[in-house]
Amino acid sequence: GEDVEQSLFLSVREGDSSVINCTYTDSSSTYLYWYKQEPGAGLQLLTYIFSNMDMKQDQRLTVLLNKKDKHLSLRIADTQTGDSAIYFCAEKPGGYQKVTFGTGTKLQVIP
Amino acid sequence: DVKVTQSSRYLVKRTGEKVFLECVQDMDHENMFWYRQDPGLGLRLIYFSYDVKMKEKGDIPEGYSVSREKKERFSLILESASTNQTSMYLCASRSISGETQYFGPGTRLLVL
Repeated sequence: GEDVEQSLFLSVREGDSSVINCTYTDSSSTYLYWYKQEPGAGLQLLTYIFSNMDMKQDQRLTVLLNKKDKHLSLRIADTQTGDSAIYFCAEKPGGYQKVTFGTGTKLQVIP
Repeated sequence: DVKVTQSSRYLVKRTGEKVFLECVQDMDHENMFWYRQDPGLGLRLIYFSYDVKMKEKGDIPEGYSVSREKKERFSLILESASTNQTSMYLCASRSISGETQYFGPGTRLLVL
């Protein structure tokens, strides 16, 4: 079945870049997502990328996709304390309704 | 603005009680989902529904049932709550053609 793996924890200093990594197993994944969950809240979509893309940039966020290695990363430039949250990677095959989520990476930003 | 609401933010129940968690979306989405979130395990899909009165089991349906009588409302039912069902429950919805899932704020359930 589908599996999405992430490291559980990442700590960075304010102003540095953060890189959160994710690997997935389903080669038919068409959509790959990054969600953010702030304390006590639900998940909020940050960005997504289609599997026919290698990179997507949106302000401070850069998503890189290595389809051959089934590896997805989220880079946050100039990380701020407000970026402290849990970040979930997720994947969905095209034409299918179920999304598979990773375990989440807790990002701690040290002032 | 897109909105998914859940009936309670926090809930405390006793073992053996029947528990109802309600979710309402105002976006006319066809698909609705119930997940539970546990530390180190991420989100696991319990049930989803792709239309009124339609439901499909997710990865961990045991001990749960669902009801979708109206398009905007998707209920999760714990027939007889147990302590291992203590968790954060998240509801989500998505249009049939959309890429984005919209989440509610979550219900933190404690079963004593």
